[in-house]
Amino acid sequence: TQLLEQSPQFLSIQEGENLTVYCNSSSVFSSLQWYRQEPGEGPVLLVTVVTGGEVKKLKRLTFQFGDARKDSSLHITAAQPGDTGLYLCAAPRGGYQKVTFGTGTKLQVIP
Amino acid sequence: EAGVTQFPSHSVIEKGQTVTLRCDPISGHDNLYWYRRVMGKEIKFLLHFVKESKQDESGMPNNRFLAERTGGTYSTLKVQPAELEDSGVYFCASSPRGNIQYFGAGTRLSVL
Repeated sequence: TQLLEQSPQFLSIQEGENLTVYCNSSSVFSSLQWYRQEPGEGPVLLVTVVTGGEVKKLKRLTFQFGDARKDSSLHITAAQPGDTGLYLCAAPRGGYQKVTFGTGTKLQVIP
Repeated sequence: EAGVTQFPSHSVIEKGQTVTLRCDPISGHDNLYWYRRVMGKEIKFLLHFVKESKQDESGMPNNRFLAERTGGTYSTLKVQPAELEDSGVYFCASSPRGNIQYFGAGTRLSVL
């Protein structure tokens, strides 16, 4: 049983398009994180959301934490080739002692 | 400032052999974590050190895996003997307080 399910698994879009990635769970979390991983590199933390309904923006990326703190979404506006990568939602557990990762969404932005 | 470094970047060994992976955390980070991703699966937690002490090793798959962090600096993860299902990418991360973890580029382990 996957704790954090992401959809879609794969996404290939043209430069300039918008997209949304979803992270869903039946569990309630105190916070959720989003990471981006590029080929040959480790995951890099993009954002942490901690309050139900919270919205955070990072340039063209908008992150939202569900009101019930069970899900999150990542919306990218006007995608660029540099956005290509693997996007991972994750839940810090045990007071940030370990991170549980989602199944991942592989994004390809075609110039 | 140097990031988390892992060595080797890629290791190919035969089933039954021993492999040791090394992780150098960011200087001053007391927290060090090991994770791994096996083919087609999500990244999974293996264990967590605070300085030289194992805080949580609940994710270690079995007793063929041994992690050490002598002196609270670098860490090693030894797999002995390696099995086919141990193939995957092993990530190390470090953190000053645990809330933000900085990941290394990983070691890709291939067991043939």
